[in-house]
Amino acid sequence: GENVEQHPSTLSVQEGDSAVIKCTYSDSASNYFPWYKQELGKRPQLIIDIRSNVGEKKDQRIAVTLNKTAKHFSLHITETQPEDSAVYFCAASTRGNNRLAFGKGNQVVVIP
Amino acid sequence: KAGVTQTPRYLIKTRGQQVTLSCSPISGHRSVSWYQQTPGQGLQFLFEYFSETQRNKGNFPGRFSGRQFSNSRSEMNVSTLELGDSALYLCASSFQGASSYEQYFGPGTRLTVT
Repeated sequence: GENVEQHPSTLSVQEGDSAVIKCTYSDSASNYFPWYKQELGKRPQLIIDIRSNVGEKKDQRIAVTLNKTAKHFSLHITETQPEDSAVYFCAASTRGNNRLAFGKGNQVVVIP
Repeated sequence: KAGVTQTPRYLIKTRGQQVTLSCSPISGHRSVSWYQQTPGQGLQFLFEYFSETQRNKGNFPGRFSGRQFSNSRSEMNVSTLELGDSALYLCASSFQGASSYEQYFGPGTRLTVT
């Protein structure tokens, strides 16, 4: 089955700086890549996603890039704010298949 | 639209007992997936139901089962509980249209097995 890995496990950034989280996947058939943000004690929240026919997608301060050849995708958060502090999970699945394979998560800490 | 809801939110059971968790998807969503979240293993896929049929199954023992009703509400059942079943159980609903893959999570049920 699909195996998704995330690096680094913990990321500390100064407020206003950028944060980048990278994920790699193993199954070349995967074509849907969502990112979830989970604050302490809360549900995972879908923040952005990308499909394999697109190389980059942006939504305000967050963006996701996908490199199908290298089988990796990354989350970019610009102008970080304290409310960006959370655990971020990447995931992958194949079209029409709701079986999401998740990475282990990255703890992002934004230092005011 | 109301979001995904799960009941109960917290549950304490003893080893050997069984438990049933409930999930109500977003109105109009026909797919419900279940995930187990633990600090050690992260988020792991249990199974998915679509139109009352199990469509996908993860690598969990047969003690974990589920079902879906005609109104798309879903339940999962864990029989003969073990200490290792202590986890946050999350369900996620999806519209499952031709170009819609997004899954939205409920708040989860925190199960503690003693």
